[in-house]
Amino acid sequence: KAGVTQTPRYLIKTRGQQVTLSCSPISGHRSVSWYQQTPGQGLQFLFEYFSETQRNKGNFPGRFSGRQFSNSRSEMNVSTLELGDSALYLCASSLVWGSGTEAFFGQGTRLTVV
Amino acid sequence: ELKVEQNPLFLSMQEGKNYTIYCNYSTTSDRLYWYRQDPGKSLESLFVLLSNGAVKQEGRLMASLDTKARLSTLHITAAVHDLSATYFCAVEDTSGSRLTFGEGTQLTVNP
Repeated sequence: KAGVTQTPRYLIKTRGQQVTLSCSPISGHRSVSWYQQTPGQGLQFLFEYFSETQRNKGNFPGRFSGRQFSNSRSEMNVSTLELGDSALYLCASSLVWGSGTEAFFGQGTRLTVV
Repeated sequence: ELKVEQNPLFLSMQEGKNYTIYCNYSTTSDRLYWYRQDPGKSLESLFVLLSNGAVKQEGRLMASLDTKARLSTLHITAAVHDLSATYFCAVEDTSGSRLTFGEGTQLTVNP
């Protein structure tokens, strides 16, 4: 079965621009979460969506936002990009988060801000 | 705030040797996950540990969970070069909708 699909795989943006990343979960999975990975801060939780509702949010500024659609696909938006936003953004999907169900990660979107 | 610490952060070992990676966490949780990440790649799920005393094994890797000690271990038996990667433990918080990751252990297995 198809895995978690993230698009695009690579992005280069300029400071001040905004960017939208997309995540298509595994078919049937209703929970999608997003993580940022950087060499300095490691893997940090951004937010989690279930049935189009944001259930949990990490400690990131309001420039980071997301949403989930009725087909469980999710998008993440970052506005007014800063150099420090350069990172690998990972999306994970699971059947129903919170019951110890396994989370499967996509290949990630590598964002470079110049 | 949940904190997760791994040690060691860097591990260089010879093929054929055994070693253990430790994962300590700061608050109560009985759900812990181990992931593997190859350079430039995503996270691959290795083990899901859901209760105190849980032990799971796959090939040369074995993971265990002691919720009372807030400790999980990933034991490597007779390491081979293919195991070279970064290994992360992650703890599910009480809200059940987020993972807190450790810093990762970068494992290099030398011939």
